Amino acid sequence: DQQVKQNSPSLSVQEGRISILNCDYTNSMFDYFLWYKKYPAEGPTFLISISSIKDKNEDGRFTVFLNKSAKHLSLHIVPSQPGDSAVYFCAASEWGAAGNKLTFGGGTRVLVKP
Amino acid sequence: DAGITQSPRYKITETGRQVTLMCHQTWSHSYMFWYRQDLGHGLRLIYYSAAADITDKGEVPDGYVVSRSKTENFPLTLESATRSQTSVYFCASSGGSGVSGTQYFGPGTRLTVL
Repeated sequence: DQQVKQNSPSLSVQEGRISILNCDYTNSMFDYFLWYKKYPAEGPTFLISISSIKDKNEDGRFTVFLNKSAKHLSLHIVPSQPGDSAVYFCAASEWGAAGNKLTFGGGTRVLVKP
Repeated sequence: DAGITQSPRYKITETGRQVTLMCHQTWSHSYMFWYRQDLGHGLRLIYYSAAADITDKGEVPDGYVVSRSKTENFPLTLESATRSQTSVYFCASSGGSGVSGTQYFGPGTRLTVL
């Protein structure tokens, strides 16, 4: 059973508009959440994170919102740029015997049209 | 250059053969991780390590072995490769835990088992 889910496999948005990516989780033990961006043939790169004690974190064009009661988080990208076209992964962290374990969602492919 | 590297980048092998994927990081990070990426599953944790000689199983450890004799290296061995282990493998490292434990990923190794 997937503990982290991204229900939209793809998203298409016009340049300059807002991109909203969603993520749902089931495990209440997750203590912080991250978004990663991935281009083809490259490793994921860290984008933004949020602690479970916060409800919003902002970094430039990227804002992550966390709704703990709904076990839902979202990533807003404003304004969207063609270079944002990539696969975005939501990840949730919990402490394990040898460090923080990340559980990833299945990813959302974003296409920003010029 | 400082960072995290993986070798080889591409590997084709046959069922039953032993394969070792290498991971090296120059940041002196304590924590290192191995993930595999498959369509529809995002990234799944195979093994992770908190320090030399401290490792733990992740979500999908069966068929894999790890070792960590030096902080900077974290090799992943497939003892007897199977077709189901065809995947893209990512190594990651982090310097801390909790919110400061952001994981940084290598470029990946694409493994094909015939």
